[in-house]
Amino acid sequence: DAKTTQPNSMESNEEEPVHLPCNHSTISGTDYIHWYRQLPSQGPEYVIHGLTSNVNNRMASLAIAEDRKSSTLILHRATLRDAAVYYCILSQPPGGSYIPTFGRGTSLIVHP
Amino acid sequence: DGGITQSPKYLFRKEGQNVTLSCEQNLNHDAMYWYRQDPGQGLRLIYYSQIVNDFQKGDIAEGYSVSREKKESFPLTVTSAQKNPTAFYLCASSPRRLAGGWETQYFGPGTRLLVL
Repeated sequence: DAKTTQPNSMESNEEEPVHLPCNHSTISGTDYIHWYRQLPSQGPEYVIHGLTSNVNNRMASLAIAEDRKSSTLILHRATLRDAAVYYCILSQPPGGSYIPTFGRGTSLIVHP
Repeated sequence: DGGITQSPKYLFRKEGQNVTLSCEQNLNHDAMYWYRQDPGQGLRLIYYSQIVNDFQKGDIAEGYSVSREKKESFPLTVTSAQKNPTAFYLCASSPRRLAGGWETQYFGPGTRLLVL
């Protein structure tokens, strides 16, 4: 299985940008990079995904390294509501059947 | 509103008792999943179903059972054989079989199971 490595925790101040890193050195050429987040006592929710190019949506931006061995989820202005566990997940190549693996993720602490 | 509902939000189980957790979705999704989450840990897959009347074991299926008689419903039974059932249980669905690529999962709010 393609694996990801994330820091256990990160801290930020409210209204500041946050860059959450993810290493995936064994990524294959057809793996998509997905990010989910889990607010306290809730189920995870989808944040963003990408393949090669950087992606933007209303929640966040995803910056993917040129060699695709790492990526960064960017929250442009952190709010207290962004305090959550963020999971970086790789899909497996199309054609098979895969189930996403959610590791421990990165626990983001946002200070007022 | 479309979504996934799980009930109850909290559930208490006595020793030796089977309990069933409900998961319903009105998203017309083919695939459904059950995960278990222990405090401070990630999610571990219990069972998943890619289509009605079919399901597969995940990484930690022992002590659990499921059924998929309807597309909308995927109940999970925690049997007395599960010796450490206290955990947060999450149900999810996806539009179709996750064959890699861009498909995403949609999660319910979870059920917290406590053993008395």
